[in-house]
Amino acid sequence: DGGITQSPKYLFRKEGQNVTLSCEQNLNHDAMYWYRQDPGQGLRLIYYSQIVNDFQKGDIAEGYSVSREKKESFPLTVTSAQKNPTAFYLCASNRVPGEKLFFGSGTQLSVL
Amino acid sequence: KNQVEQSPQSLIILEGKNCTLQCNYTVSPFSNLRWYKQDTGRGPVSLTIMTFSENTKSNGRYTATLDADTKQSSLHITASQLSDSASYICVVTRSYIPTFGRGTSLIVHP
Repeated sequence: DGGITQSPKYLFRKEGQNVTLSCEQNLNHDAMYWYRQDPGQGLRLIYYSQIVNDFQKGDIAEGYSVSREKKESFPLTVTSAQKNPTAFYLCASNRVPGEKLFFGSGTQLSVL
Repeated sequence: KNQVEQSPQSLIILEGKNCTLQCNYTVSPFSNLRWYKQDTGRGPVSLTIMTFSENTKSNGRYTATLDADTKQSSLHITASQLSDSASYICVVTRSYIPTFGRGTSLIVHP
């Protein structure tokens, strides 16, 4: 089955710790995205990548980092600089920007 | 400022009833408008897409309408089912950049 796989489903972060969220897709999509979802708010763009080895900051990139070494993979690291990391994180992809987004099942990150 | 506003914020209906969700936007010009369904703890899934020139689009029991003059869209759900309980998100795309509404939380009671 083609799709986007996010892992883990739940993640806990200790203060001062960096954590990495995994996102893998087998849809052969060029563009991949990371969104943050907080209760009562719309999805906010953290980072996006339109091609391997290239990525751009979204609206709320501070405290986050990404890499795009392979077309299929777009991991997100939540660094200790992100002071309010508790949220639901969604990875998405599409063939080209503007087309329908395909989302993963999300990762719920909480702070211990 | 969020340029996509959805109403109501939440809605409770009985199984079998119809309902209509609203989306008002200021994003202009836009490439397309989509409605997504998001089950709790899951990622959103696309229901419908409409371009500027389209007025209505159906997907089973879901019917979306678009009035580009008033910048309003609606999602009508017919004969609701328990599985329709979810958040419904309106997304307007301009220059390849999507802007997400905050969603309407729908609860369908038996």
